Amino acid sequence: GAGVSQSPSNKVTEKGKDVELRCDPISGHTALYWYRQSLGQGLEFLIYFQGNSAPDKSGLPSDRFSAERTGGSVSTLTIQRTQQEDSAVYLCASSLDGIQYFGAGTRLSVL
Amino acid sequence: DQQVKQNSPSLSVQEGRISILNCDYTNSMFDYFLWYKKYPAEGPTFLISISSIKDKNEDGRFTVFLNKSAKHLSLHIVPSQPGDSAVYFCAASDQGTYKYIFGTGTRLKVLA
Repeated sequence: GAGVSQSPSNKVTEKGKDVELRCDPISGHTALYWYRQSLGQGLEFLIYFQGNSAPDKSGLPSDRFSAERTGGSVSTLTIQRTQQEDSAVYLCASSLDGIQYFGAGTRLSVL
Repeated sequence: DQQVKQNSPSLSVQEGRISILNCDYTNSMFDYFLWYKKYPAEGPTFLISISSIKDKNEDGRFTVFLNKSAKHLSLHIVPSQPGDSAVYFCAASDQGTYKYIFGTGTRLKVLA
């Protein structure tokens, strides 16, 4: 299909390890978002990419979190030195006209 | 500080009846509102939206109502079907920005 693809779908890691989460947006979508959904919470905005503009990183919870978007397409969210409170579902969405199309998410579990 | 609130974490409705999901917001700058539906192990999917220049938008069995003075919107599903059972999120933005604020969701269960 031509939807937003995220990998891995599940990731279990040990506290202190680094993880990389990948997002393949819909082809042609210029905007890309990362969100986090912790248990019982809404979608928490993390970071936004739009074309070649500087990303809005205002939602990143700490400097352990970073994200890149290469060539205006694929994006990688990196969490360094993971902590147990980082356990959540990480969702990526892409957009062309304001409507966001979401991937199925990566469920991260930090033991 | 939750700018978008969905105060009912869950709702159960009989098949064929109306489901009403509510959402309140605090930021008067919000002028574009969306509803998303989320099934387990899937990402949210867009359902319906409304701009603040309207007070109602309808799409099939789904209608969204906006009361700007009360800073309140609601999603009506009529008639409700078992396949509508999902978590529903409302989201709001200032159309001058790209940032969407999501509520915490309401889990709807439609009973057959």
